[in-house]
Amino acid sequence: NAGVMQNPRHLVRRRGQEARLRCSPMKGHSHVYWYRQLPEEGLKFMVYLQKENIIDESGMPKERFSAEFPKEGPSILRIQQVVRGDSAAYFCASSPGVGGDGPQHFGDGTRLSIL
Amino acid sequence: DQQVKQNSPSLSVQEGRISILNCDYTNSMFDYFLWYKKYPAEGPTFLISISSIKDKNEDGRFTVFLNKSAKHLSLHIVPSQPGDSAVYFCAASAGNQFYFGTGTSLTVIP
Repeated sequence: NAGVMQNPRHLVRRRGQEARLRCSPMKGHSHVYWYRQLPEEGLKFMVYLQKENIIDESGMPKERFSAEFPKEGPSILRIQQVVRGDSAAYFCASSPGVGGDGPQHFGDGTRLSIL
Repeated sequence: DQQVKQNSPSLSVQEGRISILNCDYTNSMFDYFLWYKKYPAEGPTFLISISSIKDKNEDGRFTVFLNKSAKHLSLHIVPSQPGDSAVYFCAASAGNQFYFGTGTSLTVIP
């Protein structure tokens, strides 16, 4: 998983604070996906981005959550005014294209804990 | 709605025997299927994939079978090794999105 870099690995926030999760895709990958994994559940799609564009955010909660993938720098998943239910592992994946163009490669995730 | 389902949350197999992990899906538009392996505190690692134009793909000890009429996918690992103990996720894609199952925890007993 060294190709996709996520930081921080662990993040602790108090209720009401903001959480920022970063993801640098593999070299040559321009497609970035964010997933959330709650305890005892599978990976839930949140958002799909290409450079400077949000392509599909159908899995993203309508409030407090936002994502970006600027021309320069990593992709950022931002959670404002965090609540206890936001505690989860957040995984970023990148791919060279969509669907059958190649598999997604995942980072090791950011474990977000809300106190 | 869970478009990709893994109905067995766990599986135990003796070392050297075959492990068979199963996955069902509901969306007939899926055209690309994948299996990932995940260790604790790490991200999923890509294992093997298959496109909808094929019914079998092999890579070493891993073989994926696709039955489109039954909307069923399986992963065979033979022979199973203790290092194969992990959570296995199946995933399916149609266009932009990848849909993941809830995972099957495989334990290979030495």
